[in-house]
Amino acid sequence: KAGVTQTPRYLIKTRGQQVTLSCSPISGHRSVSWYQQTPGQGLQFLFEYFSETQRNKGNFPGRFSGRQFSNSRSEMNVSTLELGDSALYLCASSLMSGNTGELFFGEGSRLTVL
Amino acid sequence: AQSVTQLDSQVPVFEEAPVELRCNYSSSVSVYLFWYVQYPNQGLQLLLKYLSGSTLVESINGFEAEFNKSQTSFHLRKPSVHISDTAEYFCAVSDWQGQNFVFGPGTRLSVLP
Repeated sequence: KAGVTQTPRYLIKTRGQQVTLSCSPISGHRSVSWYQQTPGQGLQFLFEYFSETQRNKGNFPGRFSGRQFSNSRSEMNVSTLELGDSALYLCASSLMSGNTGELFFGEGSRLTVL
Repeated sequence: AQSVTQLDSQVPVFEEAPVELRCNYSSSVSVYLFWYVQYPNQGLQLLLKYLSGSTLVESINGFEAEFNKSQTSFHLRKPSVHISDTAEYFCAVSDWQGQNFVFGPGTRLSVLP
């Protein structure tokens, strides 16, 4: 079955702009989590959605937001971009929130802010 | 809250040599433990996990990890590495409900010919 799909794979924005990233989870998976990966900070948890509801949120400013649709697809939005937002944004899906199994990751969306 | 420490940020090793990647965690509750691998320009893939039962868990490609509760460790080992094992390895912990995933900073394994 198809894996987790993230679009776009690469994008370049300038400071002050906003960006929307999309994640299509594995069919049947209802939980979607987002992570920010940078060389200095490693993997940091942004938020998790399950059945269209945000279940957990990491320690990021309000400029970072997300949502999940009824088909479990998820989007995250970053407004008023800053240079420090340059990162690889990873989406991960799982069957249900808080399961004991595995997170399935997409290949990420690499955002560069100039 | 859980936390994960991976003391070695980079580990260079020659092909066919053994390797150990260290992982220590901190938690006030029972945890589940994971190792994920990230190859260049890819997302993370689950390598192996410990949920309960035998403290020694193995992956299909020759890696193994042992859960040591007294030392709060989950070190990853492979007796003989290949060039293709070059990647970044992340140790992760979740609480006993499978929530609150926390990833370590990662260890970059470089296998040299």
